[in-house]
Amino acid sequence: DTGVSQDPRHKITKRGQNVTFRCDPISEHNRLYWYRQTLGQGPEFLTYFQNEAQLEKSRLLSDRFSAERPKGSFSTLEIQRTEQGDSAMYLCASSPPNYNEQFFGPGTRLTVL
Amino acid sequence: QQPVQSPQAVILREGEDAVINCSSSKALYSVHWYRQKHGEAPVFLMILLKGGEQKGHEKISASFNEKKQQSSLYLTASQLSYSGTYFCGTAGGGADGLTFGKGTHLIIQP
Repeated sequence: DTGVSQDPRHKITKRGQNVTFRCDPISEHNRLYWYRQTLGQGPEFLTYFQNEAQLEKSRLLSDRFSAERPKGSFSTLEIQRTEQGDSAMYLCASSPPNYNEQFFGPGTRLTVL
Repeated sequence: QQPVQSPQAVILREGEDAVINCSSSKALYSVHWYRQKHGEAPVFLMILLKGGEQKGHEKISASFNEKKQQSSLYLTASQLSYSGTYFCGTAGGGADGLTFGKGTHLIIQP
């Protein structure tokens, strides 16, 4: 499978715990995006990277959210001190150089109890 | 601002046609169309760049009116597999993250 992959697919955590999600983009895609999707809504853009540089992070929902892409390949999204309102599907998408199409991974469904 | 999609939902018989509209109050560089089935990730359908081009493959096509900041997705001779929620995502620049509408629920009945 050469599509975008995300791990884990499901995560259940207790309020106050930290969680980290991983995204592996399609090979040679230099741009990587994180989105959050809640029930009945379209995806909501959070942040994106071009190679290892994080070019937009003002849309991260709070300072509890952070993302990294240290070597320009996979990326991680961390949520600290989770709250019940963080329960959602977290989607990753990647985009090839010189093209604007974004291809989504299967997502990580987070449930905060 | 979030683009506005219409209609919110539509029910069709197999073989009928559908049009889904997407309208933005902001100047757009591109419009991206996706279909999402329940519990699955959005699947890329097509992208339209400013310039008023129309794109299509098989029975799905789309247009983009840059001046009106509107795009429409056309589904002809709908198939059962077309059922799902259709989202338009808009971008003001080439590499920007997308701003999605609330989606249009399409149900195709046999």
